[in-house]
Amino acid sequence: KAGVTQTPRYLIKTRGQQVTLSCSPISGHRSVSWYQQTPGQGLQFLFEYFSETQRNKGNFPGRFSGRQFSNSRSEMNVSTLELGDSALYLCASSLVQLPNTEAFFGQGTRLTVV
Amino acid sequence: QKEVEQDPGPLSVPEGAIVSLNCTYSNSAFQYFMWYRQYSRKGPELLMYTYSSGNKEDGRFTAQVDKSSKYISLFIRDSQPSDSATYLCAIAQAAGNKLTFGGGTRVLVKP
Repeated sequence: KAGVTQTPRYLIKTRGQQVTLSCSPISGHRSVSWYQQTPGQGLQFLFEYFSETQRNKGNFPGRFSGRQFSNSRSEMNVSTLELGDSALYLCASSLVQLPNTEAFFGQGTRLTVV
Repeated sequence: QKEVEQDPGPLSVPEGAIVSLNCTYSNSAFQYFMWYRQYSRKGPELLMYTYSSGNKEDGRFTAQVDKSSKYISLFIRDSQPSDSATYLCAIAQAAGNKLTFGGGTRVLVKP
């Protein structure tokens, strides 16, 4: 059974640019959550999508956005990149909405903003 | 004060020892508890998931939840060098749709 797939694995972007990250959840899973991981702040919740609807959003600026498609695949977008956006972005897949089920993480996309 | 507190370590133990990890939390609304293991430059891997007080065992891993004290623990028996990683606790509210993570404890198991 395939796990959670995130693409790309690594990205280098320049300040002011925008970036789109992709997450394919485990087959049959309908909930996708996104997290940002940095050495200073640890893992912080960005947003959760279930059946194409955003169900919850963390305390991040509006530059961070996301969406979910009918096949449950999800994308997140960061516009007007800042140096502080450099982080590991993790996607978690779960069968139904959290927390009523386990959440499985992908390998992450490591974004470096220069 | 953070919602979930976790000692960052590092925690260094000899091979074969019991590793004891813990987290404390402040919000009594938290009802779901998870432990993840994360190797360097990898995504977190789910080890344990529980939603009740008491113990849950899976192989060499035992998770304990004490809701009255707002304290959760993970024990790793017969530790191996391959257990060297960062261990993260994650907690969720019943009505929430997100996980709140501790900062992680780095564990080193020396051969």
